[in-house]
Amino acid sequence: QVQLVESGGGVVQPGKSLRLSCAASGFTFNKYGMHWVRQAPGKGLEWVAVISYDGSSEYYADSVKGRFTISRDDSKNTLNLQMNSLRVDDTALYHCVKPGDRGAFDLWGQGTMVTVSS
Amino acid sequence: SYVLTQPPSVSVAPGQTARITCGGNNIGSKDVHWYQQKPRQAPVLVVYDDSARPSGIPERFSGSNSGNTATLTISRVEGGDEADYYCQVWDGSSDHYVFGTGTKVTVL
Repeated sequence: QVQLVESGGGVVQPGKSLRLSCAASGFTFNKYGMHWVRQAPGKGLEWVAVISYDGSSEYYADSVKGRFTISRDDSKNTLNLQMNSLRVDDTALYHCVKPGDRGAFDLWGQGTMVTVSS
Repeated sequence: SYVLTQPPSVSVAPGQTARITCGGNNIGSKDVHWYQQKPRQAPVLVVYDDSARPSGIPERFSGSNSGNTATLTISRVEGGDEADYYCQVWDGSSDHYVFGTGTKVTVL
């Protein structure tokens, strides 16, 4: 079925790194740009990053630019997020998100939780 | 950076109409999308491109967008509509995607 399944979350100390992955299935992965969106506990949604369908372009929220890197492996239908220099305020549930043909986010994963704490 | 402002909460009685606003500078020139998020669940797209509904979304959900305000309207509100709602746009000037601050809809 059509789904996105994130993995890789956990508890990490400030300044450390973590790599998230998202396994996509049920649709033609290499046709779509893909996003990461996060939600801190009790807070709203925050867009994190996007990678184009062919991997040639990436854009990041100002809050993560220079620390996070989004990538994709179309041979494995996988989206990744490399998170370096993690901060306490990066603590959030991270969702992998697929846009529809009109750009709206029409498929969301359940998310993987990242907790940054000493 | 582009900012979208929503009221923190809206309360409505069952069967009545809930209107959730999303304010942004000249938002009428952008395509606005709306998401519903129930507790401990991933968000669900309920309106895209200002007023279109994805398949499976009831006709009770509708949207409009003009000037500096976009609006999500939920007609004949049901208890199952109780959730957080977020508007979202793409800011072409920065290539960033922006979410509104979110509105909690409470069904009385």
